Amino acid sequence: DSGVTQTPKHLITATGQRVTLRCSPRSGDLSVYWYQQSLDQGLQFLIQYYNGEERAKGNILERFSAQQFPDLHSELNLSSLELGDSALYFCASSYSPREDEQFFGPGTRLTVL
Amino acid sequence: AQKVTQAQTEISVVEKEDVTLDCVYETRDTTYYLFWYKQPPSGELVFLIRRNSFDEQNEISGRYSWNFQKSTSSFNFTITASQVVDSAVYFCALSETNAGKSTFGDGTTLTVKP
Repeated sequence: DSGVTQTPKHLITATGQRVTLRCSPRSGDLSVYWYQQSLDQGLQFLIQYYNGEERAKGNILERFSAQQFPDLHSELNLSSLELGDSALYFCASSYSPREDEQFFGPGTRLTVL
Repeated sequence: AQKVTQAQTEISVVEKEDVTLDCVYETRDTTYYLFWYKQPPSGELVFLIRRNSFDEQNEISGRYSWNFQKSTSSFNFTITASQVVDSAVYFCALSETNAGKSTFGDGTTLTVKP
């Protein structure tokens, strides 16, 4: 158990809908990262937050947004969902923003029908 | 642009064999970080190692060892005396300094047969 929690574990929704994925980092970790893993595009870094501020941005679509709240949990919002958004979404956390050892959550499997 | 290449898509070995997973990277940065992650069949991602570009010392952790060669832009991972529990997909990744942005390779699926 990495100490990172993600909810929900599974999510099935329809095209055009909007969903929110939630991540709670390990206790004491200030940095949160979001990744997408799909069959088509492999593992991709989406975005990183550190202590509430956006730190780095990767291949995140404009339909996606994220934020980190004062209690350090983070949410990834996916809107206008398309079939291609079906993927496993991982959250990870670390203490520093410079990618010290990252601890990954179990992931949220999103299926868009 | 950064790029990570794991040329071996799949590797199959018999238990107790040694196996090396190759990773070749491209970056224009002089300071960067390299990582290896393991994704077992259960699906979770597990961090294995981080190496910065200034530290070319090889590292050994139990049956795992890593060989970083800046001259060939490679960061290879060797498992000695492989075990069935080593069966997983292994990802190599490259990160810019001072930022969390990582570029991943496509992964190598390792199957260790009893």
